[in-house]
Amino acid sequence: DAGVIQSPRHEVTEMGQEVTLRCKPISGHDYLFWYRQTMMRGLELLIYFNNNVPIDDSGMPEDRFSAKMPNASFSTLKIQPSEPRDSAVYFCASSLRQGENNEQFFGPGTRLTVL
Amino acid sequence: KNEVEQSPQNLTAQEGEFITINCSYSVGISALHWLQQHPGGGIVSLFMLSSGKKKHGRLIATINIQEKHSSLHITASHPRDSAVYICAVRSVNSWGKLQFGAGTQVVVTP
Repeated sequence: DAGVIQSPRHEVTEMGQEVTLRCKPISGHDYLFWYRQTMMRGLELLIYFNNNVPIDDSGMPEDRFSAKMPNASFSTLKIQPSEPRDSAVYFCASSLRQGENNEQFFGPGTRLTVL
Repeated sequence: KNEVEQSPQNLTAQEGEFITINCSYSVGISALHWLQQHPGGGIVSLFMLSSGKKKHGRLIATINIQEKHSSLHITASHPRDSAVYICAVRSVNSWGKLQFGAGTQVVVTP
């Protein structure tokens, strides 16, 4: 398997523009997670899905952020409008809940810069 | 106050030395993860623990549920172990929700 795939790897945009980050989880995994990493706050969970259904979105910063998972092999995280404080690395991860063995596999991340 | 505290924040060791990183948490957990983040930014899961001890190669992770404390040990450290090591706990109330420590930057010099 290719692992968790994220695109784009780098995104530079101007304040006010819409940004869409994409994630393809590992085939067969039933959980998908979106994280944000900044120097100030470290890693933070934004939202996670189970079987394509959002379970906990309490980490989503505000209404400018939205996430969807239309099918088991694809998820998007959208920021509209983007602001400079959204600059961060965004990671997607997936996991298979199977008893107690449920390691999370992380994608390579998308480095977002909002000017 | 962060519910997951790691120490030290930074650590420099010479090749071959034994390294210990500590993680303390203040919430009820169902599991604890140790992650490694390479200088290039990629994150790899090293261990998931709910009790006792796990070993993988030169890495050993232990957890004491009563004391709410976990340690990650690196034996015979090597420059390729240089990375940020992150402790994360899984809430007992929400299976998918991980809370992260700030990370420990480890540098191993030849």
